[in-house]
Amino acid sequence: DAMVIQNPRYQVTQFGKPVTLSCSQTLNHNVMYWYQQKSSQAPKLLFHYYDKDFNNEADTPDNFQSRRPNTSFCFLDIRSPGLGDAAMYLCATSRDPRTGAYNEQFFGPGTRLTVL
Amino acid sequence: KNEVEQSPQNLTAQEGEFITINCSYSVGISALHWLQQHPGGGIVSLFMLSSGKKKHGRLIATINIQEKHSSLHITASHPRDSAVYICAVWAPFWETSGSRLTFGEGTQLTVNP
Repeated sequence: DAMVIQNPRYQVTQFGKPVTLSCSQTLNHNVMYWYQQKSSQAPKLLFHYYDKDFNNEADTPDNFQSRRPNTSFCFLDIRSPGLGDAAMYLCATSRDPRTGAYNEQFFGPGTRLTVL
Repeated sequence: KNEVEQSPQNLTAQEGEFITINCSYSVGISALHWLQQHPGGGIVSLFMLSSGKKKHGRLIATINIQEKHSSLHITASHPRDSAVYICAVWAPFWETSGSRLTFGEGTQLTVNP
């Protein structure tokens, strides 16, 4: 089945130790999104890619970076995790919404990040 | 004020009860998305709608574009329906600072046996 896959499902890191979260998709969608969701809060968009075109949200900290080496894969790098970065990280994909119309976003299962 | 507001924030029901979750939004939208999130985090799409009404099994979603309001109904609720239900709207770029999904805070539903 076509799907969005995130690895690992649970990640524990130490304060200040770089960590990379992975997302892959078999839907061949050209848009990929990374969201941060803290406990009992709505998901917050960090950034997204239209193909290789990177779009950063204005309030996303510099500590968060992303790479998209090809259509299928997208990575979230947290350079120096702080305690406040502990959250669920959700990856989603969609077809190109550049026209302004909505194309349904398909979400992965998420990676729960714990920072010790 | 959030662009998307859901009510109630928390809802507890007995198995078999009819449940309604409401979503109001303040911007012009292209589409509205109802999502379900179980403990453990994964988000599942329930409905995407831009007008009228959709039904899937025991779930029904309605939207009134003029009133900027949508409802999600669950008939004959079951404990496995316990989850967070999230309303998200897609506004064209001329309505917001850029086309993106704007999420409500979610409604935590607990259905007791």
